[in-house]
Amino acid sequence: EVQLVESGGGLVQPGGSLRLSCEASGFTFSSYWMHWVRQAPGKGLVWVSRTNEDGSITDYADSVKGRYTISRDNAKNTLWLQMNSLRGEDTAVYYCGRDLAGSNSRWGQGTRVTVSS
Amino acid sequence: DIVMTQSPLYLPVTPGEPASISCRSSQSPLHSNGNYFFDWYLQKPGQSPQLLIYWGFNRASGVPDRFSGSGSGTDFTLKISRVEAEDVGVYYCMQGLQTPYTFGQGTKVEIK
Repeated sequence: EVQLVESGGGLVQPGGSLRLSCEASGFTFSSYWMHWVRQAPGKGLVWVSRTNEDGSITDYADSVKGRYTISRDNAKNTLWLQMNSLRGEDTAVYYCGRDLAGSNSRWGQGTRVTVSS
Repeated sequence: DIVMTQSPLYLPVTPGEPASISCRSSQSPLHSNGNYFFDWYLQKPGQSPQLLIYWGFNRASGVPDRFSGSGSGTDFTLKISRVEAEDVGVYYCMQGLQTPYTFGQGTKVEIK
């Protein structure tokens, strides 16, 4: 069974940092593009970042470019999102997703990030 | 960025009746391989989004056949032939042709 399990969320002060993890199982992790998508409280879905199968290609939404870094370790079946210089508007549930455009799309259950003093 | 515009944003439905949601993209999500990189997702209350329709028309594995996707160019439609109580939630369209991937605002479907 395909599983994506996010962790690492929590409460952080503005300007702080947080590292999210996504542990994958049930499929060949190294064969898929992986994404992060976020959802602010009561709001819609916003794409954040993606990386290709070996991590050599990364893309970011303008709102997080220069502050967030996506990475992966295929030996550990793990995807990360390093988030620095956090702002109140980064408060959201962050979802890890597999291959979002197409039949292989799968999402995790999400991890909540709250940026507040 | 490709802007995705859904309508309506709120849809009260009667079980057993049909329902339809539209999505318009500011640019066609047609890939050079001939597929539309356009998906429909349903986010049920308290859950993460689940794929319903991919590449514009194809039902994802396990999705009931009462769901169907249609459209071309920049205009797409999700149809539910006979709504069931379990279909409540927020429906999103998404384009995955180019980054940033973009979603529609969401259509909240509730039972009347």
